[in-house]
Amino acid sequence: GESVGLHLPTLSVQEGDNSIINCAYSNSASDYFIWYKQESGKGPQFIIDIRSNMDKRQGQRVTVLLNKTVKHLSLQIAATQPGDSAVYFCAENHHASGGSYIPTFGRGTSLIVHP
Amino acid sequence: DTEVTQTPKHLVMGMTNKKSLKCEQHMGHRAMYWYKQKAKKPPELMFVYSYEKLSINESVPSRFSPECPNSSLLNLHLHALQPEDSALYLCASSLWTSGNTGELFFGEGSRLTVL
Repeated sequence: GESVGLHLPTLSVQEGDNSIINCAYSNSASDYFIWYKQESGKGPQFIIDIRSNMDKRQGQRVTVLLNKTVKHLSLQIAATQPGDSAVYFCAENHHASGGSYIPTFGRGTSLIVHP
Repeated sequence: DTEVTQTPKHLVMGMTNKKSLKCEQHMGHRAMYWYKQKAKKPPELMFVYSYEKLSINESVPSRFSPECPNSSLLNLHLHALQPEDSALYLCASSLWTSGNTGELFFGEGSRLTVL
């Protein structure tokens, strides 16, 4: 997996701007990717997922792009709001026995939205 | 509100104490997880239970002892911990069925301080 840095990458944006958060993954065999949002003092929350046979998936105000050639994932947030301020983790899902998946988390990006 | 409930929210213990963290979910999920999260780092998988059986132990030291009394409950027994074990301990659950993406539902965590 990704090496974990000594500090958290930070993205600062103005309210109303679009945000793009990037993630590199390591396992080309991963077949599901999930973005989680973790607000201060809370556990991570699911935002959106994408299967490896797709290159784009859209949700409400969020879009995930997958580039398998360079093993890169991005999360785009449209019209960023102060409530979007949080740490965002990408997770690559490894297939486990019994049919389900075990997510391994990337190092995370702290998004700060200025009003 | 999260549907995974963790208690206590905060715990301070000495290195000779024995304590337990508790987790409960009533979503009918058959997989439950313990993750450890240090400040500004991603969650790291410790244990996975599927159908009340321990299916994954990520080489966690024996001073951490998980227990799954039934499909709704997950405990983490703590004994002879070290100060470096201080962290946020996150419980999560998932459906654990074939075809499931592995989306995890997290509790808000138990903040552990070892003195």
